[in-house]
Amino acid sequence: AQKVTQAQTEISVVEKEDVTLDCVYETRDTTYYLFWYKQPPSGELVFLIRRNSFDEQNEISGRYSWNFQKSTSSFNFTITASQVVDSAVYFCALRPHGSSNTGKLIFGQGTTLQVKP
Amino acid sequence: DAGVTQSPTHLIKTRGQQVTLRCSPKSGHDTVSWYQQALGQGPQFIFQYYEEEERQRGNFPDRFSGHQFPNYSSELNVNALLLGDSALYLCASSPRQGLNTIYFGEGSWLTVV
Repeated sequence: AQKVTQAQTEISVVEKEDVTLDCVYETRDTTYYLFWYKQPPSGELVFLIRRNSFDEQNEISGRYSWNFQKSTSSFNFTITASQVVDSAVYFCALRPHGSSNTGKLIFGQGTTLQVKP
Repeated sequence: DAGVTQSPTHLIKTRGQQVTLRCSPKSGHDTVSWYQQALGQGPQFIFQYYEEEERQRGNFPDRFSGHQFPNYSSELNVNALLLGDSALYLCASSPRQGLNTIYFGEGSWLTVV
């Protein structure tokens, strides 16, 4: 079975704190894709990053960074120096391998991040 | 470059009625997927269309059906609405070839009363 688990339901931090959102996935595929999305109250899912299973290089983009570890099936997301505008629900998602799965994502339950001023 | 667009944004229906939601994919994308997101939950995959055919389906009953048009736009139809169908319905698009980043629209909020 394929599954994504975001164990943290809600996180509350004070502005400028660093925060890490955890994501653990399960799949038997050797090739797969991992995503992070941000969902503000408006509802739209905003794409943040995509990672291929064969590329374990970690990435930093501005205040965002991602730590992908196949050995522990984890794809964690860190926001450095958080800001109030970072407040949203964050989803981790898994896309199975296969050309018939190009639009299919398996989502975690989401982590609600609240950044207080 | 327009992103994924959906209509309507909000609608209220009565139990037993039927509803049609519409989606236009991002330019250059030929694959459209639909998701249902209940309050406080992650989105659940309903089905995926490309080349005007349903290619993959999640665990949803036959009351949920769809269509894709030659211009790649898509419709989601739900018949015999139940109170439990109240949710945010998200459309996503992606290209079948190349980088398979999946982009989402703002969704259609459906309330069944």
